Amino acid sequence: QVQLQESGPGLVRPSGTLSLTCAVSGGSISSNNWWTWVRQPPGGGLEWIGEIHHSGTTNYNASLKSRVTMSLDKSKNHFSLKLTSVTAADPAVYYCARARILGATYTFDIWGQGTMVTVSS
Amino acid sequence: EIVLTQSPATLSLSPGERATLACRASHSVSTYLAWYQQKPGQAPRLLIHDASNRATGIPARFSGSGSGTDFTLTISSLEPEDFAVYYCQQRRNFGGGTKVEIK
Repeated sequence: QVQLQESGPGLVRPSGTLSLTCAVSGGSISSNNWWTWVRQPPGGGLEWIGEIHHSGTTNYNASLKSRVTMSLDKSKNHFSLKLTSVTAADPAVYYCARARILGATYTFDIWGQGTMVTVSS
Repeated sequence: EIVLTQSPATLSLSPGERATLACRASHSVSTYLAWYQQKPGQAPRLLIHDASNRATGIPARFSGSGSGTDFTLTISSLEPEDFAVYYCQQRRNFGGGTKVEIK
């Protein structure tokens, strides 16, 4: 049973860089899935941030693309998110999730528990 | 980009009642649509994929239907644990959610 666990600082200073890691257990990060980040501001909805494949291919939300970098470490079986120049618009619960095609639909079938990131000086 | 519009924003029902949630896509997505349930303080949970296929372990009281631009998630008889927020999703896009609350 694949499980995901986010880790990283819960507090980031304005204009700083948000850095999070998602540990994958119970399965290999080299499996044919997309490893994704989704965020949810307090009281808000879900926003896809981006995805990375074990091949190294990445896709990012166009609205965040200039600030987002995702990477993957096969030796540690984890993947990471960096979001630069954070502002008051970036506080949210950040989820890592596995995305795969189920049937014919791109779905997020496994989620981490989420980690809250606050932006404050 | 696909825009998903969910209605109503809030649905107030009693346990045992039937819940009908709608999701409308800005243009046709065939049946490439999924539904998720999210309870407070928890991550979303996949309920339905391909518009009508229940994910593993999802009770039969949850059903999905629709194709093209109009989709429905139905909970046939609400259990206490079903009161939550429900999201539809197509590729990298999520709807705004419908909160099912206890009346």
